[in-house]
Amino acid sequence: DAKTTQPPSMDCAEGRAANLPCNHSTISGNEYVYWYRQIHSQGPQYIIHGLKNNETNEMASLIITEDRKSSTLILPHATLRDTAVYYCIVRADKLIFGTGTRLQVFP
Amino acid sequence: SAVISQKPSRDICQRGTSLTIQCQVDSQVTMMFWYRQQPGQSLTLIATANQGSEATYESGFVIDKFPISRPNLTFSTLTVSNMSPEDSSIYLCSQDRGLGDTQYFGPGTRLTVL
Repeated sequence: DAKTTQPPSMDCAEGRAANLPCNHSTISGNEYVYWYRQIHSQGPQYIIHGLKNNETNEMASLIITEDRKSSTLILPHATLRDTAVYYCIVRADKLIFGTGTRLQVFP
Repeated sequence: SAVISQKPSRDICQRGTSLTIQCQVDSQVTMMFWYRQQPGQSLTLIATANQGSEATYESGFVIDKFPISRPNLTFSTLTVSNMSPEDSSIYLCSQDRGLGDTQYFGPGTRLTVL
């Protein structure tokens, strides 16, 4: 499974868009990009995933560069409840978690 | 989304004993996994629970310490054997139907070993 690189922490003002970057320069053609988040010590919550096209759902948007070497998760209007650790994972046959980005949303 | 339940939700155990954690999913799935999350750390994959055959363990994890069963497509157990305080962690199970599918996680079992 390809390795991902994320900033260890980010801040975002409530109501603003949160843009979380992820580098995955060694991604293979059959590997998907997945995003999860974990609030406190709850089980990880699925956010979104994609292969090469941009994706959007009710929670977030996923922008994948054309060369697939990086991606950005966008939370369009961050709220205090979005404060969590966000994991970007490149998956072949299993999810291998990195250290993630700790997003702090402030009032 | 899938519904996954785990039992127990938490436990406090004595050193040298064993604990079996149960994971139940609400529909038949192909893949079930077990993870460990040590305090302040990210999740680490322990093994893939295979239905009807031995689990596939990741590097650093062995069957004698973490025996896993999966008697059918909706149920799996993880046993933490001969526990020590270093086994104090949250243990999570997850499931999906394979590559490209969404993998969902259970709420976790918080284990404290004294």
